[in-house]
Amino acid sequence: DGGITQSPKYLFRKEGQNVTLSCEQNLNHDAMYWYRQDPGQGLRLIYYSQIVNDFQKGDIAEGYSVSREKKESFPLTVTSAQKNPTAFYLCASSTGVAGGQPSTDTQYFGPGTRLTVL
Amino acid sequence: SQQGEEDPQALSIQEGENATMNCSYKTSINNLQWYRQNSGRGLVHLILIRSNEREKHSGRLRVTLDTSKKSSSLLITASRAADTASYFCACRSGSEKLVFGKGTKLTVNP
Repeated sequence: DGGITQSPKYLFRKEGQNVTLSCEQNLNHDAMYWYRQDPGQGLRLIYYSQIVNDFQKGDIAEGYSVSREKKESFPLTVTSAQKNPTAFYLCASSTGVAGGQPSTDTQYFGPGTRLTVL
Repeated sequence: SQQGEEDPQALSIQEGENATMNCSYKTSINNLQWYRQNSGRGLVHLILIRSNEREKHSGRLRVTLDTSKKSSSLLITASRAADTASYFCACRSGSEKLVFGKGTKLTVNP
């Protein structure tokens, strides 16, 4: 089965702890993304990566960190610097922007991780 | 920001009726996409319309795009209870980022 997976489904964090959310895809996509969704809100981009070993900050990167050591994996760490981390986190992937031209590709989303701070 | 904004925020209809959701955006785009999200799940891509297209169909879905008004609409015909979900528009303007709106929450009552 091709797809994008996230784990865990539910995650609880104590204040002051760092936690890492996993995102794996076997779609052979170059681009991967992390979004945050708060209740009744749209998606806000945290970080994205167009290629292995490279990533860029999105609109709300403060308090988060990522790595992209493998094409298939794009883990997100929520650090203690993130003051309000309780949210639903979504990972997505896409074929990516090819040759610098605008892409018409679509994003494929994982099932999400719900993070709660205790 | 060129964020798409959906209207209405919430919509409740009876099964069999049509549902229309609108999306407005602020700057020129390369394409506009619609996604669906069931409660507590990830988003699923429904349809993409390019800036040089005016209308696209996919099954019971019809999407229109009016670039002069910077707006798009999603029509779901003959709705079913299973169509109950939130629907998001997302705009791309040539950068690698896709910008999502806040969504329309659709409830289809059996």
